[in-house]
Amino acid sequence: EIVMTQSPATLSVSPGERATLSCRASQSVSSNLAWYQQKLGQAPRLLISGASTRATGIPARFSGSGSGTEFTLTISSLQSEDFAVYYCQQYNNWPPMYTFGQGTKLEIK
Amino acid sequence: EAQLVESGGGLVQPGGSLRLSCAASGFTFNTYWMSWVRQAPGKGLEWVASIKQDGGETYYVDSAKGRLTISKDNAKNSLYLQMNSLRAEDTAVYYCAREYYSTFDVWGQGTMVTVSS
Repeated sequence: EIVMTQSPATLSVSPGERATLSCRASQSVSSNLAWYQQKLGQAPRLLISGASTRATGIPARFSGSGSGTEFTLTISSLQSEDFAVYYCQQYNNWPPMYTFGQGTKLEIK
Repeated sequence: EAQLVESGGGLVQPGGSLRLSCAASGFTFNTYWMSWVRQAPGKGLEWVASIKQDGGETYYVDSAKGRLTISKDNAKNSLYLQMNSLRAEDTAVYYCAREYYSTFDVWGQGTMVTVSS
């Protein structure tokens, strides 16, 4: 099983500032990495696939980078609606054995 | 607009059974892989199972094998999860999700399953 580790567990950032979230895989997943946003009481929402491709309707302030085992989600200028929990997910296996990171909570500083 | 609506959750005793349903609309259901993803209270996301477009292939997380069964009825635009021999650790919100190149691009609102005596 590929283990996904996210850091930090909690990130405190002021509105308007940049947030950088990290995700590490226990073995290479190439670029088969997605990011999701989950607000309290809601279902997750797909933000990024293929490590760096924004999903439909996702604002340009969200960007993803990385390949192999190290990945980053950057939110360039935090808006109030961006404070949420973020998860990474790898999908490199076949047959599918998808795994998620434990999440990073992005909170208002 | 693509939409997924789960139902069937509730309180069940350990060792009991439950069947979750997911009604799909707004997209061509029979052309997509579908999955169930769960989230225990206060915890992260865990992929549970996936099923191919025609139902001919299914895959499960190890903890679900032999107890949970994913199925779909393309004529009814519906996805199911039959849950048997339930354990306390199966307590979670269960989300139905559409797969798009192995990511989950459409999610339902979730249905809560509580396994407790």
